[in-house]
Amino acid sequence: KAGVTQTPRYLIKTRGQQVTLSCSPISGHRSVSWYQQTPGQGLQFLFEYFSETQRNKGNFPGRFSGRQFSNSRSEMNVSTLELGDSALYLCASSGKNEQFFGPGTRLTVL
Amino acid sequence: AQSVSQHNHHVILSEAASLELGCNYSYGGTVNLFWYVQYPGQHLQLLLKYFSGDPLVKGIKGFEAEFIKSKFSFNLRKPSVQWSDTAEYFCAVDDGNNAGNMLTFGGGTRLMVKP
Repeated sequence: KAGVTQTPRYLIKTRGQQVTLSCSPISGHRSVSWYQQTPGQGLQFLFEYFSETQRNKGNFPGRFSGRQFSNSRSEMNVSTLELGDSALYLCASSGKNEQFFGPGTRLTVL
Repeated sequence: AQSVSQHNHHVILSEAASLELGCNYSYGGTVNLFWYVQYPGQHLQLLLKYFSGDPLVKGIKGFEAEFIKSKFSFNLRKPSVQWSDTAEYFCAVDDGNNAGNMLTFGGGTRLMVKP
């Protein structure tokens, strides 16, 4: 089985712009979770989608949003980017009580 | 809200030394517990998990962890480390309702094993 894939792998944006990141889960997995990883705050849960519905949400501002499609692929969007949004964004798909993580998208905000 | 503390940020060991990484969590209810590892340049991957049953859990690559409910701890152990164990290790917790889909992570421990 192919693993979790994330695109793009690297992104550079400027403050005020918006960005969309994509995640394709492992075939058959219906739950997709997103995490932000930064040196200062570590790994923080953003949100989880299951069957196209947001099931859980972390403590992030409304600028961070996501969605899931009928094929379980998920996107997350960050609007009005701030310097502090620079991070590695990880996607994970879940099966049998285990999350499988993707390689992440490295976002740099200038 | 849950929180997870990993006491050691950096650990340096020689090959064949024993390893114990501490993890404590704060949450009053039922929890699911995990240890993840991130090797240099690689994805996060699961080492082991605890949902219920025997509190001593064995994972991949010779790692094990013991859940001590009274101490809110889930420490990771390995009797003899190898150079290839050099990585960052993350303890994570999920409340019992989420089956591991909404993890709260500790700050991570960077392990360096000297050959």
